[in-house]
Amino acid sequence: DAKTTQPTSMDCAEGRAANLPCNHSTISGNEYVYWYRQIHSQGPQYIIHGLKNNETNEMASLIITEDRKSSTLILPHATLRDTAVYYCIVRVPHSGSARQLTFGSGTQLTVLP
Amino acid sequence: KAGVTQTPRYLIKTRGQQVTLSCSPISGHRSVSWYQQTPGQGLQFLFEYFSETQRNKGNFPGRFSGRQFSNSRSEMNVSTLELGDSALYLCASSLGGTGSMNTEAFFGQGTRLTVV
Repeated sequence: DAKTTQPTSMDCAEGRAANLPCNHSTISGNEYVYWYRQIHSQGPQYIIHGLKNNETNEMASLIITEDRKSSTLILPHATLRDTAVYYCIVRVPHSGSARQLTFGSGTQLTVLP
Repeated sequence: KAGVTQTPRYLIKTRGQQVTLSCSPISGHRSVSWYQQTPGQGLQFLFEYFSETQRNKGNFPGRFSGRQFSNSRSEMNVSTLELGDSALYLCASSLGGTGSMNTEAFFGQGTRLTVV
């Protein structure tokens, strides 16, 4: 799986958009970008994933640059409950090693009132 | 539908003992993975089971083992516990299968193991 680089921490005001960047300059053509988050002492929660097109679901939007070397997770209206560690992972979903997720250090997002 | 269920939620053991943790995946999911999370090492992959077979294994000693049953429920066992095994143990389930497009993993709440 390709290595990712994320800022250690970020703050965001409640109600504003939170934009979390991720660099994955060595991503290969068949690797997808996945985002998970982990609220303190809970299991990680899947947020969204994509290959090259921008994706949106009820939780967030994922913007992937045209060269696919970086991406941004956008939480459009952050709430206090969005305070968590956010992990960006790139991987091949159908590889023989299948379900192994390699978590980096992630970004600690703190939403401020 | 019900999520991933891990039992017990909390456990205290003494050094040298062994422990068994249980994970019930989401109904219909055939892949179960286990992770260890510690403050120093973060989230680390232990192993993955699919259709009762270990498909992938992380870099952990042989004291860590697991199995999966025909109903996809999984257990992991740690023998001869050490203080350093104190961690949050997380289980994740997914549909599995190399042809599946639904590859997101759903995690349980974890088992907090404390070794004293």
